[in-house]
Amino acid sequence: DTAVSQTPKYLVTQMGNDKSIKCEQNLGHDTMYWYKQDSKKFLKIMFSYNNKELIINETVPNRFSPKSPDKAHLNLHINSLELGDSAVYFCASSQGLVRDEQFFGPGTRLTVL
Amino acid sequence: SQQGEEDPQALSIQEGENATMNCSYKTSINNLQWYRQNSGRGLVHLILIRSNEREKHSGRLRVTLDTSKKSSSLLITASRAADTASYFCATEGTYKYIFGTGTRLKVLA
Repeated sequence: DTAVSQTPKYLVTQMGNDKSIKCEQNLGHDTMYWYKQDSKKFLKIMFSYNNKELIINETVPNRFSPKSPDKAHLNLHINSLELGDSAVYFCASSQGLVRDEQFFGPGTRLTVL
Repeated sequence: SQQGEEDPQALSIQEGENATMNCSYKTSINNLQWYRQNSGRGLVHLILIRSNEREKHSGRLRVTLDTSKKSSSLLITASRAADTASYFCATEGTYKYIFGTGTRLKVLA
């Protein structure tokens, strides 16, 4: 019973391509997040959604477009991939905003060649 | 700018020893959380301490919070090889948590 799942786990693609990462949580949480972790392990928030509504867009290039079809899903679509997009992307969820613990997915390692 | 910064960046100890890592932050908070990340995995929540709490325990973990110094520490007692991981503190920003740079702990068997 995986709480927060992401697919795919690995993604290797060429520069300029478009790709999507999917995230699902079965915890009944209201809030979902996307984080990017770089090669130095620095974890930076990209987006957060609460009840399908965008709350945070942390100065992410508009090539990144999150979509939340319902509270349990938050997908991330990336257009025109660049070398600098290579990183590990984590989805997370929490019951509320800020005051609750977050549950993280296993991560998607994106490599742009 | 980063809210939380952990130190040391890396720590290597022998099994059975205690490990202490620190987190400093810049602005006032309502709570602070600690997370663990094993290699190649997502982060796992360890403990949440609120601003009106000074100390909290969970098993072999002890977290302290000093709001006057804007700092927190995580102590792992009687460390085990399985404690080898990166440890992050997270403090709250506006509608988001901000993670520190992490402490890489290596416990040698």
